[in-house]
Amino acid sequence: GAVVSQHPSRVICKSGTSVKIECRSLDFQATTMFWYRQFPKQSLMLMATSNEGSKATYEQGVEKDKFLINHASLTLSTLTVTSAHPEDSSFYICSQQGDGTEAFFGQGTRLTVV
Amino acid sequence: GQNIDQPTEMTATEGAIVQINCTYQTSGFNGLFWYQQHAGEAPTFLSYNVLDGLEEKGRFSSFLSRSKGYSYLLLKELQMKDSASYLCAVRDQDYQLIWGAGTKLIIKP
Repeated sequence: GAVVSQHPSRVICKSGTSVKIECRSLDFQATTMFWYRQFPKQSLMLMATSNEGSKATYEQGVEKDKFLINHASLTLSTLTVTSAHPEDSSFYICSQQGDGTEAFFGQGTRLTVV
Repeated sequence: GQNIDQPTEMTATEGAIVQINCTYQTSGFNGLFWYQQHAGEAPTFLSYNVLDGLEEKGRFSSFLSRSKGYSYLLLKELQMKDSASYLCAVRDQDYQLIWGAGTKLIIKP
């Protein structure tokens, strides 16, 4: 199956700093990448849909100036959490949804803001 | 609005069978997915149903009834490693995945 590589898997940062999370599709061209956030004991929450070469589409309630998404190539999408605060601590996951039978997920990034 | 319901938590015994139900109300339907998620890890794909009926894959089976907006995931011969959360997701008319909150399955010896 397709492989989506997400990096880093864990990051701890100080409040007020920015963190970049990378998501790479290793064996296919990802025209569309999805970014999710998951708080403990809760389901996946779609944050935004990123399309290669165009601006991301954000879900209602997600601050686009805080969560910067770049999808400059068919194999790489990045999520940057700017001016991170403790409430941004969460599990962030990228995903590539195929037209067929499954969505492929990155390994996820556990962000802790102290 | 769109809604997916599944039980919050279930407990079963090693070696037994458990059925996790999922009911959905979505704008259109383009398939239903079941994912397994261990704590701290990303979800992994289990099954996909787009037509009514039962899909069997080893110890796991998934059933769909589109007219009832209902699916279940059946796990047989439960093993301790099956302790995880099981997520039901429906792809709507816009091909967006709508996720349930997940069912935490606890397996006891």
